[in-house]
Amino acid sequence: DAKTTQPPSMDCAEGRAANLPCNHSTISGNEYVYWYRQIHSQGPQYIIHGLKNNETNEMASLIITEDRKSSTLILPHATLRDTAVYYCIASTSGNTGKLIFGQGTTLQVKP
Amino acid sequence: KAGVTQTPRYLIKTRGQQVTLSCSPISGHRSVSWYQQTPGQGLQFLFEYFSETQRNKGNFPGRFSGRQFSNSRSEMNVSTLELGDSALYLCASSLVGGARTDTQYFGPGTRLTVL
Repeated sequence: DAKTTQPPSMDCAEGRAANLPCNHSTISGNEYVYWYRQIHSQGPQYIIHGLKNNETNEMASLIITEDRKSSTLILPHATLRDTAVYYCIASTSGNTGKLIFGQGTTLQVKP
Repeated sequence: KAGVTQTPRYLIKTRGQQVTLSCSPISGHRSVSWYQQTPGQGLQFLFEYFSETQRNKGNFPGRFSGRQFSNSRSEMNVSTLELGDSALYLCASSLVGGARTDTQYFGPGTRLTVL
């Protein structure tokens, strides 16, 4: 699985969009980009995933660059409850059942 | 649909003892993966089971083992506990474990403290 690089921490004002970047320059053609978040030692929560097209669901949007070397998770209107560690993972986990977690980005949403 | 459940939620053991943790996957999910999370090492993959067979294993000693039952429920066992085994143990389930986009859904975890 490709290595991902994320900033260790970010701040965002409540109500504003939170844009979390992720670099995955060695991603292979069959690897998907997954995003999870973990709130204060709870189990990681699945957010969204994509291959090469932009994706949107009720929680977030995922923008993947055309060369697939980086992506951005967008939380359109961040709330205090979005404060969490966000993990970006490049994986074909369906074949192995294995996700490789990095250190993630700690997002602090401030009032 | 109920999510992934793990029991117990909290556990305190002493060095040298053994422990068994249980995971019930989402109904219909057949793949169960286990992870260990510690402050120093982060989230690390332990092993994955599908159709009662271990398909993949992380880099952990043989003291860590697991199994899966015919109803897809899974248990993991840690024998001869060490202080360093204190961690949050997470399990995740996915539908079939064979498709490229098979999303894993995590349970709340079992917090193990070894004294």
